[in-house]
Amino acid sequence: AQSVAQPEDQVNVAEGNPLTVKCTYSVSGNPYLFWYVQYPNRGLQFLLKYITGDNLVKGSYGFEAEFNKSQTSFHLKKPSALVSDSALYFCAVSDYNFNKFYFGSGTKLNVKP
Amino acid sequence: DTGVSQDPRHKITKRGQNVTFRCDPISEHNRLYWYRQTLGQGPEFLTYFQNEAQLEKSRLLSDRFSAERPKGSFSTLEIQRTEQGDSAMYLCASSSAGGPYNEQFFGPGTRLTVL
Repeated sequence: AQSVAQPEDQVNVAEGNPLTVKCTYSVSGNPYLFWYVQYPNRGLQFLLKYITGDNLVKGSYGFEAEFNKSQTSFHLKKPSALVSDSALYFCAVSDYNFNKFYFGSGTKLNVKP
Repeated sequence: DTGVSQDPRHKITKRGQNVTFRCDPISEHNRLYWYRQTLGQGPEFLTYFQNEAQLEKSRLLSDRFSAERPKGSFSTLEIQRTEQGDSAMYLCASSSAGGPYNEQFFGPGTRLTVL
């Protein structure tokens, strides 16, 4: 069965500092991994994905994620946080044909000025 | 706005009543997903359509839940004999098999409250 875990309910970071939001996965077969962001009163928005290829994936709004097979992790990163990055972030994994997606419980990112 | 739309945005009902939600995906998207999200949790997969065919259904979905996509365009999710535990946000998402089909576009959700 496919699953992801987000070990931190909340991450606090100062504006301008680098941020990391953690995600670990458990899959049978190749991992297909995603990050989504949810702003208040808005739908989830796709940020980035890892399907195959380079372990460092670049996405929207300056975010990137590093796929680490040995540590079964797919952490979301950004070199310099903005206050506007404050939102709820979800890691997700899909089955091999993208028919089913499994989301983590989410991490609330707070970026303080 | 050509994004995914859902109707209604909010629904309050009494326990035991039936409710139906509608999702209109992005027009060229042939893949459609339904999720349920409760407070403090991530979206939980309910079911998936490719065109009008329902190809996946969560084992967690009770027989009181049914979904349709009759013409491969909009979809409806019906909950019969609602229970208080059904209170949640119901999300719809769509994607395209022709493009980056693994990137889902989500609607704003329908918030259901069962009294």
